[in-house]
Amino acid sequence: QKEVEQNSGPLSVPEGAIASLNCTYSDRGSQSFFWYRQYSGKSPELIMSIYSNGDKEDGRFTAQLNKASQYVSLLIRDSQPSDSATYLCAVNMGDMRFGAGTRLTVKP
Amino acid sequence: EAQVTQNPRYLITVTGKKLTVTCSQNMNHEYMSWYRQDPGLGLRQIYYSMNVEVTDKGDVPEGYKVSRKEKRNFPLILESPSPNQTSLYFCASSRDTAFYANTGELFFGEGSRLTVL
Repeated sequence: QKEVEQNSGPLSVPEGAIASLNCTYSDRGSQSFFWYRQYSGKSPELIMSIYSNGDKEDGRFTAQLNKASQYVSLLIRDSQPSDSATYLCAVNMGDMRFGAGTRLTVKP
Repeated sequence: EAQVTQNPRYLITVTGKKLTVTCSQNMNHEYMSWYRQDPGLGLRQIYYSMNVEVTDKGDVPEGYKVSRKEKRNFPLILESPSPNQTSLYFCASSRDTAFYANTGELFFGEGSRLTVL
């Protein structure tokens, strides 16, 4: 069974804190991993992609991949109220599989 | 402007009344896909298409049909809608493909909220 699991949340952090979002996947052969952000009532938009073990940084966002542990995470530093959204982990397992999403609220 | 356009955005219908949700992309993408999004279940793939005249089932294809006669269009057809098809539907396209699926960024339409009474 091809599965992507995320910590269901909801997750609430104060403004300026680090938000940590986690994801595990079932297919050990997966090679492509993505984080999408979805604001309420809107469509998902890609914010990070990662293909190799280790960290990938883009501004305040850092994606981390550990293929041996089948684990992907997204760190958001200096969280802002505008980061409040649902974050979807997606893994290409031959077709793109999405987790159920983690709702993040950043409180001013 | 590069975009994926879905219509209608909102629809209320009754059980058994055939409907079509259209999807069109202007990015010349080969890969197109339909997802449904339900609370607690995330995005689940209904059908996808690697290219014109090539379609395949996703995770939840029952009760749906698709066609890909032109590269830009990928309509979703509900021949006889039922209440369990009440959901938020997203069409998506991607430039990047491997022989079996897309490998890169998915561009999503704005979504179509369907209610079947």
